[in-house]
Amino acid sequence: AQSVAQPEDQVNVAEGNPLTVKCTYSVSGNPYLFWYVQYPNRGLQFLLKYITGDNLVKGSYGFEAEFNKSQTSFHLKKPSALVSDSALYFCAVRALTGGGNKLTFGTGTQLKVEL
Amino acid sequence: KAGVTQTPRYLIKTRGQQVTLSCSPISGHRSVSWYQQTPGQGLQFLFEYFSETQRNKGNFPGRFSGRQFSNSRSEMNVSTLELGDSALYLCASSLSSTPDTQYFGPGTRLTVL
Repeated sequence: AQSVAQPEDQVNVAEGNPLTVKCTYSVSGNPYLFWYVQYPNRGLQFLLKYITGDNLVKGSYGFEAEFNKSQTSFHLKKPSALVSDSALYFCAVRALTGGGNKLTFGTGTQLKVEL
Repeated sequence: KAGVTQTPRYLIKTRGQQVTLSCSPISGHRSVSWYQQTPGQGLQFLFEYFSETQRNKGNFPGRFSGRQFSNSRSEMNVSTLELGDSALYLCASSLSSTPDTQYFGPGTRLTVL
């Protein structure tokens, strides 16, 4: 079975400061990892993904994520936060092997960026 | 390219009724997945369709069903609605059924009274 943990329900940062949203995962075999963002009353918006290759993945809107196999983590980062980054962030995982496209999501982390 | 579209965006039903939700994937995408989002349970996988065949199914009762048409459009049906079925239902499409990025629609907000 695969699972994702997002240990922080909410992260507060000041605009201009770096931000980190944490994610750890559990999956059999190699993972396929995603970050999505959700704004109020909207669907999920794809930010970035990791399949193989470089451990640092760059995505949309200046976000990046670092894959750490030994710590089974995939933390989302941004060097300088914007107020408009305030939203709900989800980490998701699926195994590379096995059929289908089922994603397992974490519980989400509410990011609040303040002036 | 147009994104994933879902209709209707909002629905209000009463207990015992049934409901059908529709999803049109991004042009060229052949895989459609459905997820339920609730405050208590978070995002949960319902099922996935690829080339009109159900490939995966989540842990939901048989009241939840779906299908996919030859043009890749998909519908999901919930029969004998319960209060607990109130949720945001999200559809996602991807090019194929192998590991691929899923792109989500805006969702259908279902309220069961």
